[in-house]
Amino acid sequence: AQSVTQPDIHITVSEGASLELRCNYSYGATPYLFWYVQSPGQGLQLLLKYFSGDTLVQGIKGFEAEFKRSQSSFNLRKPSVHWSDAAEYFCAVGAMEYGNKLVFGAGTILRVKS
Amino acid sequence: NAGVMQNPRHLVRRRGQEARLRCSPMKGHSHVYWYRQLPEEGLKFMVYLQKENIIDESGMPKERFSAEFPKEGPSILRIQQVVRGDSAAYFCASSPEAIDEQFFGPGTRLTVL
Repeated sequence: AQSVTQPDIHITVSEGASLELRCNYSYGATPYLFWYVQSPGQGLQLLLKYFSGDTLVQGIKGFEAEFKRSQSSFNLRKPSVHWSDAAEYFCAVGAMEYGNKLVFGAGTILRVKS
Repeated sequence: NAGVMQNPRHLVRRRGQEARLRCSPMKGHSHVYWYRQLPEEGLKFMVYLQKENIIDESGMPKERFSAEFPKEGPSILRIQQVVRGDSAAYFCASSPEAIDEQFFGPGTRLTVL
């Protein structure tokens, strides 16, 4: 079965520090991948997506992610975190072979220390 | 272009009542998805619809839950005889094509008393 793992439930970083949120997937097909951000009580906003091509993907708000097929990973990075980045982050994976449904990780809650 | 709209944003029901959640996709989007988010968990796929057709309902509970996306009007997720375990946030998403970015609505938070 398809699965997405975000190993870190909570992460705390200092404002201005770099950030990496991990995402690993298990899929029997060629995946396409997303990172979404959710603020409390809100919907999901897309940060970035990967379908094909360059494995380093740039997104909004200064985020980037790198698709590593050999490691089945799609980690999210930001060089310098801002207090407004505090939110919950979800990695999601889909594949044409499994229809259009997305499988989401359990999420990583990011706290930013000032 | 307005985003995905969901209403109501909050819905309170007593056990045994019916809940109806509505979703209006973005203009030009004919693909609609429903996901459920339980407390402290990620989103779980429920159903995928394309105008008047259910394409994939593999994530939908077999009883009490149904979904439709009529030719005219919003998509509806209907939960009959709600139980406390149905309390969750229900998110709708839409996309312009089958394999494409999904745009999410703000969600409907259902509380069953």
